[in-house]
Amino acid sequence: QQPVQSPQAVILREGEDAVINCSSSKALYSVHWYRQKHGEAPVFLMILLKGGEQKGHEKISASFNEKKQQSSLYLTASQLSYSGTYFCGTPARGSARQLTFGSGTQLTVLP
Amino acid sequence: NAGVTQTPKFQVLKTGQSMTLQCAQDMNHNSMYWYRQDPGMGLRLIYYSASEGTTDKGEVPNGYNVSRLNKREFSLRLESAAPSQTSVYFCASSEGTLGLYFGPGTRLLVL
Repeated sequence: QQPVQSPQAVILREGEDAVINCSSSKALYSVHWYRQKHGEAPVFLMILLKGGEQKGHEKISASFNEKKQQSSLYLTASQLSYSGTYFCGTPARGSARQLTFGSGTQLTVLP
Repeated sequence: NAGVTQTPKFQVLKTGQSMTLQCAQDMNHNSMYWYRQDPGMGLRLIYYSASEGTTDKGEVPNGYNVSRLNKREFSLRLESAAPSQTSVYFCASSEGTLGLYFGPGTRLLVL
């Protein structure tokens, strides 16, 4: 079952912060985060495993709460290069390789 | 180090025609995947290969076949193309619990 991402789209100014959420109706064992720029392939940002650990990539960090079955991606002091569509992916039960992706959150950073 | 490469980049087919999409990776990854991406639908897994010699169905396998030719190469075949298969196709590879590394994609139009 596809994870649900919110918001669907967000527009912000350079330097502002944003949060993207990913939630699942099923138990989560890990969460992947990817960014895709228009016309390009998705690029892996980070993976979060059970334990609620927070990871970081540049000024982008994420948290994972397996009890609430959700993950959040935090973009701090956004840069123009952060624009793109962000996808979360969650593995199917019993198969870590079968990732199901959310429908994406389109992030636009304006100067 | 080219990462994941895909051929062709663009293809136009008529309904009923067949074609094979090629994918190769030079990162020595064991697992390889084929995804399709439609507007507003996110990424959906067609087939995957956990290791050389094995293939498994993903979320949307109907109308497709795959071959894991060796550790480097994983091809996707459309035997009789249909307009519903118009999409962008991404090949990806991974190792262990690390994230997916995507190729540049093949844009397919079926008329």
